[in-house]
Amino acid sequence: NAGVTQTPKFRILKIGQSMTLQCTQDMNHNYMYWYRQDPGMGLKLIYYSVGAGITDKGEVPNGYNVSRSTTEDFPLRLELAAPSQTSVYFCASRPMEAGGFSGNTIYFGEGSWLTVV
Amino acid sequence: GENVEQHPSTLSVQEGDSAVIKCTYSDSASNYFPWYKQELGKGPQLIIDIRSNVGEKKDQRIAVTLNKTAKHFSLHITETQPEDSAVYFCAASIYGTGGFKTIFGAGTRLFVKA
Repeated sequence: NAGVTQTPKFRILKIGQSMTLQCTQDMNHNYMYWYRQDPGMGLKLIYYSVGAGITDKGEVPNGYNVSRSTTEDFPLRLELAAPSQTSVYFCASRPMEAGGFSGNTIYFGEGSWLTVV
Repeated sequence: GENVEQHPSTLSVQEGDSAVIKCTYSDSASNYFPWYKQELGKGPQLIIDIRSNVGEKKDQRIAVTLNKTAKHFSLHITETQPEDSAVYFCAASIYGTGGFKTIFGAGTRLFVKA
């Protein structure tokens, strides 16, 4: 298994440009997430999905959009890039909870470094 | 909603010494507490976790303790080695709309000096 794969690894955007961060997982996980990590800071949840066709906002969704047309893919779209979106973005996935168990391991991708200038 | 605080933000230890990272959470309904290690240029990876019905768990040189009454949990690394240098995140998982959500602490940057 490749796990969680994100592309691109690095990208420089100009203010106002748009782009899509791609994310795919081959573990058949129901849950998928997008986090951002600002320098020296923790992980902030942008959007998440509990299954194909279902998405929901996290803590910091403004300026982003997502879709989940398949179990495997969960792309993150930046429509009008702003300097405040300079960050490292992590896609992650997690299996559905087994009966009675209150949590499961989250598997992270390697990250996408985005700079908006 | 749930809030997780993590201390210290930076920790420097000598190789062979122990390192302790502490976290507190706000919502008593949280019932799963994972710890993740993030090496430079990589995504976080789970290193150990503990459920709310357990007070302590150990895996070789790392251990986690949980005090549900005080709502805090800690990561203990013994006999630290240079390869333990990384950023460590604690997290608390709570059930809400959309299933279980995981809230991360701000992270602790651990330096192990050889």
